[in-house]
Amino acid sequence: SYVLTQPPSVSVAPGKTARITCAGNNVGSKSVHWYQQKPGQAPVLVIYYDSARPSGIPERFSGSNSGNPASLTISRVEAGDEADYYCQVWDSDSNHYVFGPGTKVTVL
Amino acid sequence: QVQLVESGGGVVQPGRSLRLSCGASGFTFSSYGLHWVRQSPGKGLEWVASISYDGSEKYHADSVKGRFTISSDKFKNTLYLEMNSLRLEDTAFYHCARDRLGAASSSGGIDYWGQGTLVTVS
Repeated sequence: SYVLTQPPSVSVAPGKTARITCAGNNVGSKSVHWYQQKPGQAPVLVIYYDSARPSGIPERFSGSNSGNPASLTISRVEAGDEADYYCQVWDSDSNHYVFGPGTKVTVL
Repeated sequence: QVQLVESGGGVVQPGRSLRLSCGASGFTFSSYGLHWVRQSPGKGLEWVASISYDGSEKYHADSVKGRFTISSDKFKNTLYLEMNSLRLEDTAFYHCARDRLGAASSSGGIDYWGQGTLVTVS
């Protein structure tokens, strides 16, 4: 079955840039979606189709999937960005949706 | 506004059954793919099952295949998850979620999530 790999944690100082990676076999051929989840809350879609931003998501959030790994970049990090971030793809070989294990972003 | 409200969770013994429901409102139910995604306390997101806008496509995770069944009723605007032969490892919050696309054989990203209903197998 298809597996996505993310770093367990990323720490970043306020105002700096955080980059979260999402690796998987030939992930560049798939569409990657990213979710932010804060404690006690449902996930929120922050990036879809590798780099598109839903309405209401700040421009500080950007995505890339030009190779392996795919990545989510948060620029000018704020305290409110502290959360777990998950990548997700659709694997057409298995007809399964796959989530990455999640990355905890800590703002120092 | 889009709302997804899950119900039906509770405490159940191993081997027993439970049916979850998800009431949808604020959008055209029969135009979107829908998912069940679960999350054990303190753990990550795990996809459980998906159904296409018209109910013609259904997919289930290997961990639940043969035990869980996703279905929907467009007249009641309700998504269901029938769970049989429950195991300890099925304990989790179960979220109903809407895809940006209608098909189940692709994903445009999940743009709306319910708050979840807790299933405890014990």
